[in-house]
Amino acid sequence: NAGVTQTPKFQVLKTGQSMTLQCAQDMNHNSMYWYRQDPGMGLRLIYYSASEGTTDKGEVPNGYNVSRLNKREFSLRLESAAPSQTSVYFCASSASGVLVGTEAFFGQGTRLTVV
Amino acid sequence: AQSVTQLGSHVSVSEGALVLLRCNYSSSVPPYLFWYVQYPNQGLQLLLKYTSAATLVKGINGFEAEFKKSETSFHLTKPSAHMSDAAEYFCAVSSYGNNRLAFGKGNQVVVIP
Repeated sequence: NAGVTQTPKFQVLKTGQSMTLQCAQDMNHNSMYWYRQDPGMGLRLIYYSASEGTTDKGEVPNGYNVSRLNKREFSLRLESAAPSQTSVYFCASSASGVLVGTEAFFGQGTRLTVV
Repeated sequence: AQSVTQLGSHVSVSEGALVLLRCNYSSSVPPYLFWYVQYPNQGLQLLLKYTSAATLVKGINGFEAEFKKSETSFHLTKPSAHMSDAAEYFCAVSSYGNNRLAFGKGNQVVVIP
């Protein structure tokens, strides 16, 4: 049982380049999330998808776009990378957008460096 | 808006001593509360959660937390620290109708032999 799988695990980008971070879950969860983790800042929500076909902005959405491709997959795109987007990115999923109180399951993270 | 406050980014504890990590929350509706642990270069793993059942919640690896509504707190404890408890710990809050988890800034726990 893989859980939440993120690719790639590591990436170095030059300023202005674009890339897409991929996330897939095999737990039949409705809700999926993208967070970024920076030292001393905890995890901050970038975007989330309460269910297939819906996406909403989180706390720090600027510079990012997302696609909920199907129930399993939720991708995060950086259109023009900036050094401020150097971070560790985590994808997570949870069972239902309505039945909150169910925990979120996290992937292993993508370490992104923008030079 | 819901939020969580964790004070003291780094916490040092001697092996065998009590581990106490403090979490205070803010929520306009009854909250759901979570503690997660992150080991180096890993994702987050759920330690325990409070979802309006028993106020004293037991989790994995000997950790427990008590929900105190009057103090808006959900502090995490473990009676005796092990070296393997060295990790970063995050408190998080969500609530019914708000499908987001808001995280605190985390506590980096160092266990001293």
